[in-house]
Amino acid sequence: GAGVSQTPSNKVTEKGKYVELRCDPISGHTALYWYRQSLGQGPEFLIYFQGTGAADDSGLPNDRFFAVRPEGSVSTLKIQRTERGDSAVYLCASSSGQRSTDTQYFGPGTRLTVL
Amino acid sequence: SQQGEEDPQALSIQEGENATMNCSYKTSINNLQWYRQNSGRGLVHLILIRSNEREKHSGRLRVTLDTSKKSSSLLITASRAADTASYFCATGRIFGNEKLTFGTGTRLTIIP
Repeated sequence: GAGVSQTPSNKVTEKGKYVELRCDPISGHTALYWYRQSLGQGPEFLIYFQGTGAADDSGLPNDRFFAVRPEGSVSTLKIQRTERGDSAVYLCASSSGQRSTDTQYFGPGTRLTVL
Repeated sequence: SQQGEEDPQALSIQEGENATMNCSYKTSINNLQWYRQNSGRGLVHLILIRSNEREKHSGRLRVTLDTSKKSSSLLITASRAADTASYFCATGRIFGNEKLTFGTGTRLTIIP
Protein backbone atom coordinates (compact mmCIF):
# COMPACT_ATOMS: atom_id res chain seq x y z
CA GLY A 1 0.00 0.00 0.00
CA ALA A 2 0.90 3.65 -0.08
CA GLY A 3 1.74 3.83 3.59
CA VAL A 4 1.41 2.13 6.93
CA SER A 5 -2.21 1.72 7.95
CA GLN A 6 -3.62 0.95 11.36
CA THR A 7 -7.06 -0.14 12.42
CA PRO A 8 -9.11 0.86 14.21
CA SER A 9 -8.21 4.54 14.43
CA ASN A 10 -9.95 4.75 17.78
CA LYS A 11 -10.87 2.05 20.26
CA VAL A 12 -12.81 2.53 23.47
CA THR A 13 -13.04 -0.42 25.80
CA GLU A 14 -13.81 -1.21 29.40
CA LYS A 15 -11.30 -2.17 32.03
CA GLY A 16 -10.64 -5.90 31.95
CA LYS A 17 -11.56 -6.41 28.30
CA TYR A 18 -9.36 -7.83 25.54
CA VAL A 19 -8.38 -5.72 22.52
CA GLU A 20 -6.58 -6.29 19.25
CA LEU A 21 -4.89 -3.55 17.26
CA ARG A 22 -3.90 -4.17 13.67
CA CYS A 23 -1.03 -2.83 11.58
CA ASP A 24 -0.59 -3.14 7.82
CA PRO A 25 2.99 -2.20 6.91
CA ILE A 26 4.23 -0.88 3.63
CA SER A 27 4.31 -3.73 1.13
CA GLY A 28 7.68 -5.46 1.08
CA HIS A 29 8.91 -4.04 4.37
CA THR A 30 10.40 -6.80 6.48
CA ALA A 31 10.88 -4.80 9.69
CA LEU A 32 7.88 -3.78 11.78
CA TYR A 33 7.81 -1.87 15.06
CA TRP A 34 5.18 -1.12 17.69
CA TYR A 35 5.43 1.95 19.92
CA ARG A 36 3.13 3.43 22.54
CA GLN A 37 2.70 7.14 23.13
CA SER A 38 1.10 8.57 26.21
CA LEU A 39 -0.23 12.11 26.30
CA GLY A 40 2.54 14.69 26.33
CA GLN A 41 5.29 12.10 25.92
CA GLY A 42 7.39 10.74 23.10
CA PRO A 43 6.70 7.28 21.68
CA GLU A 44 8.09 4.35 23.65
CA PHE A 45 9.28 1.18 21.98
CA LEU A 46 7.30 -2.00 22.57
CA ILE A 47 8.38 -4.70 20.11
CA TYR A 48 10.28 -5.17 16.84
CA PHE A 49 9.70 -7.85 14.19
CA GLN A 50 12.11 -8.89 11.48
CA GLY A 51 9.99 -11.04 9.20
CA THR A 52 7.73 -13.29 11.26
CA GLY A 53 9.83 -13.39 14.39
CA ALA A 54 9.99 -10.94 17.26
CA ALA A 55 13.61 -9.81 17.23
CA ASP A 56 13.24 -7.62 20.30
CA ASP A 57 10.26 -7.59 22.68
CA SER A 58 12.06 -5.87 25.53
CA GLY A 59 9.62 -2.95 25.54
CA LEU A 60 6.47 -4.92 26.26
CA PRO A 61 5.43 -3.73 29.74
CA ASN A 62 4.09 -7.05 31.02
CA ASP A 63 2.64 -10.38 29.96
CA ARG A 64 -0.75 -8.85 29.19
CA PHE A 65 0.78 -7.52 26.00
CA PHE A 66 1.51 -9.80 23.06
CA ALA A 67 2.10 -9.24 19.36
CA VAL A 68 2.18 -11.52 16.34
CA ARG A 69 3.13 -11.29 12.70
CA PRO A 70 2.38 -14.79 11.39
CA GLU A 71 3.02 -14.22 7.69
CA GLY A 72 5.65 -11.51 7.92
CA SER A 73 3.30 -8.76 6.84
CA VAL A 74 0.29 -7.71 8.94
CA SER A 75 0.86 -7.54 12.68
CA THR A 76 -1.60 -7.62 15.56
CA LEU A 77 -0.93 -6.20 19.00
CA LYS A 78 -3.03 -7.94 21.62
CA ILE A 79 -3.75 -6.61 25.08
CA GLN A 80 -5.46 -8.79 27.66
CA ARG A 81 -7.29 -7.61 30.77
CA THR A 82 -6.91 -3.97 29.81
CA GLU A 83 -6.21 -1.40 32.50
CA ARG A 84 -6.83 2.33 32.51
CA GLY A 85 -3.09 2.88 32.35
CA ASP A 86 -3.03 1.19 28.94
CA SER A 87 -4.80 4.21 27.45
CA ALA A 88 -2.47 5.71 24.86
CA VAL A 89 -1.89 6.03 21.13
CA TYR A 90 -0.37 2.85 19.74
CA LEU A 91 1.87 3.53 16.77
CA CYS A 92 3.15 1.05 14.22
CA ALA A 93 6.10 1.64 11.92
CA SER A 94 7.77 -0.35 9.18
CA SER A 95 11.06 -0.19 7.35
CA SER A 96 12.64 -2.14 4.53
CA GLY A 97 14.97 -3.86 7.00
CA GLN A 98 17.83 -3.74 4.52
CA ARG A 99 20.12 -1.39 6.41
CA SER A 100 20.64 -0.58 10.03
CA THR A 101 19.62 3.02 9.53
CA ASP A 102 16.51 2.49 7.46
CA THR A 103 13.89 5.16 7.80
CA GLN A 104 10.91 4.01 9.82
CA TYR A 105 7.57 5.00 8.32
CA PHE A 106 4.85 5.46 10.89
CA GLY A 107 1.15 4.82 10.65
CA PRO A 108 -1.49 7.23 11.98
CA GLY A 109 -1.86 5.24 15.20
CA THR A 110 -4.72 3.72 17.16
CA ARG A 111 -5.99 5.75 20.08
CA LEU A 112 -6.94 3.30 22.84
CA THR A 113 -9.13 4.50 25.69
CA VAL A 114 -9.77 2.18 28.59
CA LEU A 115 -12.69 3.29 30.74
CA SER B 1 11.86 4.86 29.12
CA GLN B 2 12.72 8.10 27.38
CA GLN B 3 16.27 8.45 26.13
CA GLY B 4 16.50 12.16 26.60
CA GLU B 5 14.84 15.48 26.55
CA GLU B 6 14.10 18.20 24.08
CA ASP B 7 14.56 21.80 24.99
CA PRO B 8 12.51 23.91 25.05
CA GLN B 9 9.31 21.99 25.77
CA ALA B 10 7.36 24.64 23.87
CA LEU B 11 8.38 27.38 21.47
CA SER B 12 6.33 30.12 19.76
CA ILE B 13 7.84 32.29 17.05
CA GLN B 14 6.68 34.60 14.28
CA GLU B 15 6.40 33.26 10.77
CA GLY B 16 9.64 33.81 8.89
CA GLU B 17 11.85 33.54 11.97
CA ASN B 18 14.20 30.66 12.62
CA ALA B 19 13.36 27.97 15.18
CA THR B 20 15.99 26.06 17.12
CA MET B 21 15.28 22.97 19.18
CA ASN B 22 17.76 21.02 21.24
CA CYS B 23 17.91 17.39 22.20
CA SER B 24 20.01 15.69 24.85
CA TYR B 25 20.44 11.96 25.25
CA LYS B 26 22.03 9.68 27.78
CA THR B 27 23.79 6.73 26.15
CA SER B 28 26.03 6.09 23.17
CA ILE B 29 24.25 6.04 19.82
CA ASN B 30 24.58 4.79 16.27
CA ASN B 31 22.42 7.56 14.82
CA LEU B 32 20.00 10.33 15.78
CA GLN B 33 16.84 11.18 13.90
CA TRP B 34 14.31 13.99 14.03
CA TYR B 35 10.59 13.45 13.51
CA ARG B 36 7.61 15.79 13.23
CA GLN B 37 4.19 14.95 14.59
CA ASN B 38 0.99 16.78 13.82
CA SER B 39 -2.06 16.54 16.04
CA GLY B 40 -0.61 13.78 18.21
CA ARG B 41 -0.80 11.08 15.58
CA GLY B 42 1.52 9.81 12.83
CA LEU B 43 5.18 10.79 12.85
CA VAL B 44 7.00 12.01 9.77
CA HIS B 45 10.71 11.37 9.40
CA LEU B 46 12.66 14.58 8.79
CA ILE B 47 16.37 13.83 8.87
CA LEU B 48 18.92 11.32 10.13
CA ILE B 49 22.46 12.03 11.26
CA ARG B 50 24.99 9.30 11.99
CA SER B 51 27.23 9.28 15.04
CA ASN B 52 30.30 10.03 12.91
CA GLU B 53 28.67 13.10 11.33
CA ARG B 54 28.60 16.57 12.87
CA GLU B 55 26.17 18.47 10.65
CA LYS B 56 23.56 17.73 8.04
CA HIS B 57 21.23 19.81 5.90
CA SER B 58 17.93 19.07 4.20
CA GLY B 59 16.06 21.95 2.64
CA ARG B 60 15.24 24.41 5.44
CA LEU B 61 16.45 21.97 8.09
CA ARG B 62 19.89 21.92 9.66
CA VAL B 63 20.87 19.31 12.22
CA THR B 64 24.01 19.25 14.32
CA LEU B 65 25.31 16.47 16.52
CA ASP B 66 27.86 16.70 19.33
CA THR B 67 28.53 13.21 20.63
CA SER B 68 30.92 14.48 23.30
CA LYS B 69 28.07 16.47 24.84
CA LYS B 70 25.41 13.90 23.89
CA SER B 71 23.33 16.60 22.26
CA SER B 72 21.79 17.58 18.95
CA SER B 73 20.03 20.62 17.59
CA LEU B 74 17.45 21.09 14.88
CA LEU B 75 17.25 24.44 13.13
CA ILE B 76 14.28 25.30 10.92
CA THR B 77 14.95 28.41 8.87
CA ALA B 78 12.35 30.81 7.49
CA SER B 79 9.55 29.14 9.44
CA ARG B 80 6.07 28.73 7.98
CA ALA B 81 2.67 28.23 9.59
CA ALA B 82 2.74 24.65 8.32
CA ASP B 83 5.77 23.96 10.51
CA THR B 84 3.52 24.10 13.57
CA ALA B 85 3.86 20.65 15.11
CA SER B 86 5.66 18.67 17.78
CA TYR B 87 9.24 17.71 17.04
CA PHE B 88 10.95 14.69 18.50
CA CYS B 89 14.50 13.48 18.43
CA ALA B 90 15.03 9.74 18.44
CA THR B 91 18.20 7.75 18.87
CA GLY B 92 19.18 4.41 17.43
CA ARG B 93 21.74 2.60 19.53
CA ILE B 94 22.55 -0.70 17.97
CA PHE B 95 23.73 -1.45 14.48
CA GLY B 96 21.23 -3.84 12.93
CA ASN B 97 18.33 -3.23 15.30
CA GLU B 98 16.97 0.21 14.89
CA LYS B 99 14.40 0.43 17.61
CA LEU B 100 14.20 4.12 18.30
CA THR B 101 14.29 5.78 21.68
CA PHE B 102 12.41 9.08 21.58
CA GLY B 103 12.78 12.24 23.57
CA THR B 104 9.94 14.15 25.17
CA GLY B 105 9.38 16.55 22.26
CA THR B 106 9.20 20.27 21.57
CA ARG B 107 5.86 21.81 20.71
CA LEU B 108 6.51 24.46 18.02
CA THR B 109 3.90 27.09 17.20
CA ILE B 110 4.40 29.42 14.26
CA ILE B 111 2.41 32.62 14.57
CA PRO B 112 1.24 33.94 11.16
